[in-house]
Amino acid sequence: GAGVSQSPSNKVTEKGKDVELRCDPISGHTALYWYRQRLGQGLEFLIYFQGNSAPDKSGLPSDRFSAERTGESVSTLTIQRTQQEDSAVYLCASRRTGSHTDTQYFGPGTRLTVL
Amino acid sequence: GDSVTQMEGPVTLSEEAFLTINCTYTATGYPSLFWYVQYPGEGLQLLLKATKADDKGSNKGFEATYRKETTSFHLEKGSVQVSDSAVYFCALIGSGAGSYQLTFGKGTKLSVIP
Repeated sequence: GAGVSQSPSNKVTEKGKDVELRCDPISGHTALYWYRQRLGQGLEFLIYFQGNSAPDKSGLPSDRFSAERTGESVSTLTIQRTQQEDSAVYLCASRRTGSHTDTQYFGPGTRLTVL
Repeated sequence: GDSVTQMEGPVTLSEEAFLTINCTYTATGYPSLFWYVQYPGEGLQLLLKATKADDKGSNKGFEATYRKETTSFHLEKGSVQVSDSAVYFCALIGSGAGSYQLTFGKGTKLSVIP
């Protein structure tokens, strides 16, 4: 079946502009995560959605970052007033059940470059 | 907080050599441990996992054993192939309440030469 998809695959923007990144999880997956990977670093957790529960936003680095998810479908990550340090690969993952140790399936990522 | 430390790369091996990538962790309680792999041009995918002490995860000839006493989860393979060239990430999910995100190491790039 189809995996996690993300769009765009690449995004180049100017400092100060807003960007919106999209994630389509695997159908039926109740949990959705956003992570980011800056050059030379491991992946950092950003935000977690589980069903209709309030999201865990504890990993968002600043109030310029926000994310939404409608039900168990598409999620969008928005970065306002982008800064050069926001340059990274943003990865989305989805998980099938409520068990936190079940496999997270990752999308191919969106490479964001802020000039 | 939780953290994962894995050996610095890059690692370059000849085909059929033995591979070890060291991974140690810091976490309270009994985390679940994972190895993810990212092949060139592809997304991150789960390689293997272990959810309790002394468990051994295995897949595609790779193995890792959850060692609580040494807080380690080293990845091994007896005979690497060129197709194993990739970046390998060690990760954990904590056992505390509200722990559902992966905490990753920085990754180890493996290159296998013929």
